[in-house]
Amino acid sequence: QKEVEQNSGPLSVPEGAIASLNCTYSDRGSQSFFWYRQYSGKSPELIMSIYSNGDKEDGRFTAQLNKASQYVSLLIRDSQPSDSATYLCAVNIAGGGADGLTFGKGTHLIIQP
Amino acid sequence: DTAVSQTPKYLVTQMGNDKSIKCEQNLGHDTMYWYKQDSKKFLKIMFSYNNKELIINETVPNRFSPKSPDKAHLNLHINSLELGDSAVYFCASSQGRGGEQFFGPGTRLTVL
Repeated sequence: QKEVEQNSGPLSVPEGAIASLNCTYSDRGSQSFFWYRQYSGKSPELIMSIYSNGDKEDGRFTAQLNKASQYVSLLIRDSQPSDSATYLCAVNIAGGGADGLTFGKGTHLIIQP
Repeated sequence: DTAVSQTPKYLVTQMGNDKSIKCEQNLGHDTMYWYKQDSKKFLKIMFSYNNKELIINETVPNRFSPKSPDKAHLNLHINSLELGDSAVYFCASSQGRGGEQFFGPGTRLTVL
């Protein structure tokens, strides 16, 4: 059974600092990895996607993937109060008929002004 | 322009009723999905459609039936609604299997 684990938090980070969000997954066949941000009462918004080992940077966001350790992380630099939200880690196994994303339960991030 | 849209945004109904939720995407994607987010905010896949073919069904009761008239639409019909069906239902779409998925605004269903 596919599982995605995240620390539910809340994770409290001072404004301007780096927020580090972590995720582990159980299925070694996972090939696509995503981070979504969800504000209360809103839909998940795609922040980052990563498909190969290493780092991927986009603005203030960096996604890191280590398939050997089955670990994916998201770093948010220069954290802003507007970054306060729930961050959802999601994984996908391409092929084999399983195309829906398996989500973690999310990490609630609070950026303190 | 809205990329993925859903109607209605809110749906309040009585147990035992039948209801439908509509979803449309204008991204030109070939795969669409329905997800359920329960009261604990856990988001879980229900269905996905690729080229009008159902390709997964995650042990969802057969009271739920997705209908896709074309690649841009995936509607969700629910028969004999139960209290436990109360949740937020999200539609999503992607280009290709395993591609980035983009979510609609959600439909909050309340069954009384």
